[in-house]
Amino acid sequence: SAVISQKPSRDICQRGTSLTIQCQVDSQVTMMFWYRQQPGQSLTLIATANQGSEATYESGFVIDKFPISRPNLTFSTLTVSNMSPEDSSIYLCSAKLAGSYEQYFGPGTRLTVT
Amino acid sequence: GENVEQHPSTLSVQEGDSAVIKCTYSDSASNYFPWYKQELGKRPQLIIDIRSNVGEKKDQRIAVTLNKTAKHFSLHITETQPEDSAVYFCAARDQMNTGFQKLVFGTGTRLLVSP
Repeated sequence: SAVISQKPSRDICQRGTSLTIQCQVDSQVTMMFWYRQQPGQSLTLIATANQGSEATYESGFVIDKFPISRPNLTFSTLTVSNMSPEDSSIYLCSAKLAGSYEQYFGPGTRLTVT
Repeated sequence: GENVEQHPSTLSVQEGDSAVIKCTYSDSASNYFPWYKQELGKRPQLIIDIRSNVGEKKDQRIAVTLNKTAKHFSLHITETQPEDSAVYFCAARDQMNTGFQKLVFGTGTRLLVSP
């Protein structure tokens, strides 16, 4: 398995500001992902973080709103830009282990936008 | 792309009973099917998975079965305990033409095990 950590664990932010979430993995991974989970809902993929290149975004998510970086194999950041109350959610980092199909999740960042 | 449907949305059982959660998928090329358990306020936790070359996999009280012809897979929990209470998500790996792979999740099943 993999140990995935995220910072911050939670935050309360003002409308119009930005928040950057960090994700660190302790193992060799091939792919890193960012998900959003609304209360009581399933997991929605925002984008796949690619090392050294632009992230691959899912339909409905754009780089200007959710810029992602992945400077090395085990670290990634997600920024939620120009936040509105609709961005209030849990944001989860996930990683797929090298040489395996298994995918693990970080503990999540609970974001509240006021 | 892949589409995953999951049933039921909620499931209540008595302690000691069995629980079965079912998922169907649309893309016959999908080859990996994990199940995650998410307790309230916690991260999704991988509990069992199955690849398309296997029909069944078991790990103590949990098992997963796969029917490739019908494109459905199921999670079976035997001798349920109150600590099994959680939301369970199934997923299928989307094998896109670009070679890019991602998990597509079902909508989740809230399992409640009453003592």
